[in-house]
Amino acid sequence: DQQVKQNSPSLSVQEGRISILNCDYTNSMFDYFLWYKKYPAEGPTFLISISSIKDKNEDGRFTVFLNKSAKHLSLHIVPSQPGDSAVYFCAASAISNAGKSTFGDGTTLTVKP
Amino acid sequence: DAGVIQSPRHEVTEMGQEVTLRCKPISGHNSLFWYRQTMMRGLELLIYFNNNVPIDDSGMPEDRFSAKMPNASFSTLKIQPSEPRDSAVYFCASWTDRFTGELFFGEGSRLTVL
Repeated sequence: DQQVKQNSPSLSVQEGRISILNCDYTNSMFDYFLWYKKYPAEGPTFLISISSIKDKNEDGRFTVFLNKSAKHLSLHIVPSQPGDSAVYFCAASAISNAGKSTFGDGTTLTVKP
Repeated sequence: DAGVIQSPRHEVTEMGQEVTLRCKPISGHNSLFWYRQTMMRGLELLIYFNNNVPIDDSGMPEDRFSAKMPNASFSTLKIQPSEPRDSAVYFCASWTDRFTGELFFGEGSRLTVL
């Protein structure tokens, strides 16, 4: 039973365009969501997060949207840059146990120059 | 500040051998997590500690796996005996409840069991 799903294993976009990465979750107890970015041979690094009391959080080129009724979140990167090419993991946790995150399988983003 | 430090970065061993992976969390972080990344199962949580105490080991695949955290600055994940299906990248992550709640990952230990 996979509680956090990233249905697109890969995504390719042109430099300067928008990248949209999607994530679905099934556990209603999740109320804190994070995106991590991972380069080859490195550990995942935190990118942006959102709590369930919000529906949008923005940090520079990165915006995360949360649709609680649909149990869906998305990460928008605008404009996309070649350096954004990496694996992006969606993660979810409960505020009551915020350190224990359940991860999706990841989406490999390739930004073409 | 030093991040989470894992060793070894790469380990190649033969089936049946004992493997010990090590982790030094970020100073002051009170929780430590061991994750395993494989192509088939993605990033899966194996075990986590809070204040050096194991809280949830439900992700540990079987008795061949064990983890310890003897003090706040050191943890080990041991596999004995190792099997080829244990080949994966093992990540250690630390966490503190003082900030926004993200995990801080080490660079991982890539294990290959022949």
